Amino acid sequence: QLHLQESGPGLVRPSETLALTCTVSGGSISSTTHYWGWIRQPPGKGLEWIASKYYSGSTYTSPSLMSRVTMSVDTSKNQFSLRLRSLTAADTAVYYCARVDQKEMFLDPWGQGVLVTVSS
Amino acid sequence: DIQMTQSPSSVSASVGDRVTITCRASQGISSWLAWYQQKPGKAPKLLIYAASTLQSGVPSRFSGSESGTDFTLTISSLQPEDFATYYCQQTKNFPLTFGGGTILEMK
Repeated sequence: QLHLQESGPGLVRPSETLALTCTVSGGSISSTTHYWGWIRQPPGKGLEWIASKYYSGSTYTSPSLMSRVTMSVDTSKNQFSLRLRSLTAADTAVYYCARVDQKEMFLDPWGQGVLVTVSS
Repeated sequence: DIQMTQSPSSVSASVGDRVTITCRASQGISSWLAWYQQKPGKAPKLLIYAASTLQSGVPSRFSGSESGTDFTLTISSLQPEDFATYYCQQTKNFPLTFGGGTILEMK
């Protein structure tokens, strides 16, 4: 059974860069039928898709975050990563990683999420 | 971007009730819609995709339907474990977008 696990700092200072990693187990990140994605949820609010990437190339990013986001895939480690630059308090959220079905574009499964707080 | 509007934002119901939640897309998305259930402190869980296809392992009391750009999630007979927040998501194209969520509370 596929399992995803996010890792990264719980506290980041304003203006700095957030780096998160999602480790995939129970399956290969080099799947030809899936993308990999990041989604976030500010405390008490709804879900916001951030970005998705195919293991060998194509990356899709939210227009509102495009200028600050980089997503990468490391097939040797079966991991994918997110970098979000120039952080502000508005980036405080639970960050989830998930697998994206390439045909139906639903998100399943999801990681448990990691709370990232942006504060000095 | 495709905007997704969910209603109501919250609903109160009792065990055994039939509950419907609606999601409207800002443009035609055919059947490209998924529904998720989220419980406090947990990640969302996929319930339905392609508007009406039940994900494996999801109880049959959950169902989805569509009419034009309007989509409905129905829980036929509420169980105690169904009290949660529900989100729709358009799956037609990137950028993926979600509805604002519907909180299903116990009456």
